[in-house]
Amino acid sequence: SQTIHQWPATLVQPVGSPLSLECTVEGTSNPNLYWYRQAAGRGLQLLFYSVGIGQISSEVPQNLSASRPQDRQFILSSKKLLLSDSGFYLCAWRGTGGNIQYFGAGTRLSVL
Amino acid sequence: SQKIEQNSEALNIQEGKTATLTCNYTNYSPAYLQWYRQDPGRGPVFLLLIRENEKEKRKERLKVTFDTTLKQSLFHITASQPADSATYLCAPASGSARQLTFGSGTQLTVLP
Repeated sequence: SQTIHQWPATLVQPVGSPLSLECTVEGTSNPNLYWYRQAAGRGLQLLFYSVGIGQISSEVPQNLSASRPQDRQFILSSKKLLLSDSGFYLCAWRGTGGNIQYFGAGTRLSVL
Repeated sequence: SQKIEQNSEALNIQEGKTATLTCNYTNYSPAYLQWYRQDPGRGPVFLLLIRENEKEKRKERLKVTFDTTLKQSLFHITASQPADSATYLCAPASGSARQLTFGSGTQLTVLP
């Protein structure tokens, strides 16, 4: 069966520090991968999605970037965090040809 | 631009009653619509998918309707239980869409 791993679960970082969040999927090949951010009490905002290795689509211009170095690995990064980067970050995958998205447990990021 | 609206207020109902959540969309012609459940601090979990040619879909105590003329989906939970308390998200999508756009969600509280 397929599983998705996302870490860390919580992260507290100072303003101006770098960020690296990792997401890996097991049990499937060539998944579509997604990064979302959810501000407190708000909906899901799609940040990036990827349909294959090295293929990244950005939905919202921001202080963040994404990379997909391997088929089942998706990384969210920042060189210098801003206060506004605080939020709940979720990784998700979707099978090729499928419609349903499967989410990881999320990372709660607090930038202080 | 495309817009998705869910019940703007949180919904409180008594245990045993039927909860009805609304999802309205504009500037969309979705081929299908999905409903997800999100618990606090967790990622959304897929519940049901209904296609444009389906009027109604059921799964245990859950029922979803899809009216493409009204551009609306209704999500019902019958015989509601306190364990049903969560935020429920809708996501209409075209058949070719690689990404989903989620509504902001309705927070449901079932009171014992």
